[in-house]
Amino acid sequence: GQQLNQSPQSMFIQEEEDVSMNCTSSSIFNTWLWYKQDPGEGPVLLIALYKAGELTSNGRLTAQFGITRKDSFLNISASIPSDVGIYFCAGQPVPQTGANNLFFGTGTRLTVIP
Amino acid sequence: DAGVIQSPRHEVTEMGQEVTLRCKPISGHNSLFWYRQTMMRGLELLIYFNNNVPIDDSGMPEDRFSAKMPNASFSTLKIQPSEPRDSAVYFCASREGATDTQYFGPGTRLTVL
Repeated sequence: GQQLNQSPQSMFIQEEEDVSMNCTSSSIFNTWLWYKQDPGEGPVLLIALYKAGELTSNGRLTAQFGITRKDSFLNISASIPSDVGIYFCAGQPVPQTGANNLFFGTGTRLTVIP
Repeated sequence: DAGVIQSPRHEVTEMGQEVTLRCKPISGHNSLFWYRQTMMRGLELLIYFNNNVPIDDSGMPEDRFSAKMPNASFSTLKIQPSEPRDSAVYFCASREGATDTQYFGPGTRLTVL
């Protein structure tokens, strides 16, 4: 199946630090999505990207759809303790499969130290 | 909007017992997905419905797993008989129309002893 390589697998950072994580694929994607999962909860959509080169912000979060359409980046500025969680990238590859479903990265586990 | 609703939130059962997980998608969404999440394998798609019809069940582990969607507002995932290796968090997600964005429920944490 489709492989999404997400890195880093985990991060330990100090509060107020900036965070950067990325996701790469061996094939071209139509859509990139970034989700955050809090402990004991389901993934919640943070940002959706639909065009190569697109840069979208949501508060302190900024994500970009890579020019090659094979990667995406998520940055968090001035981290706070509630940023703790697992961040997943997800994408819809081209050509679309018959199921038209998303493929998920393995997640980046973020720990913010106060 | 209440979001995707799943029940129960936690289920503990013994090996061999039947387990039924339930999902109510967001009203107006016509696609529904069942996922399983484990530490080892991450998020795995089990089955996907579009307009209540199963489209892709290639992710269903084996015949012990079955899923139904009798109407647009309800779906079940059943495991019979359950085994310890089925222990995981099971998520339901729904999607509107031809968009790619899926909205997840809170999940059901299943423990099979």
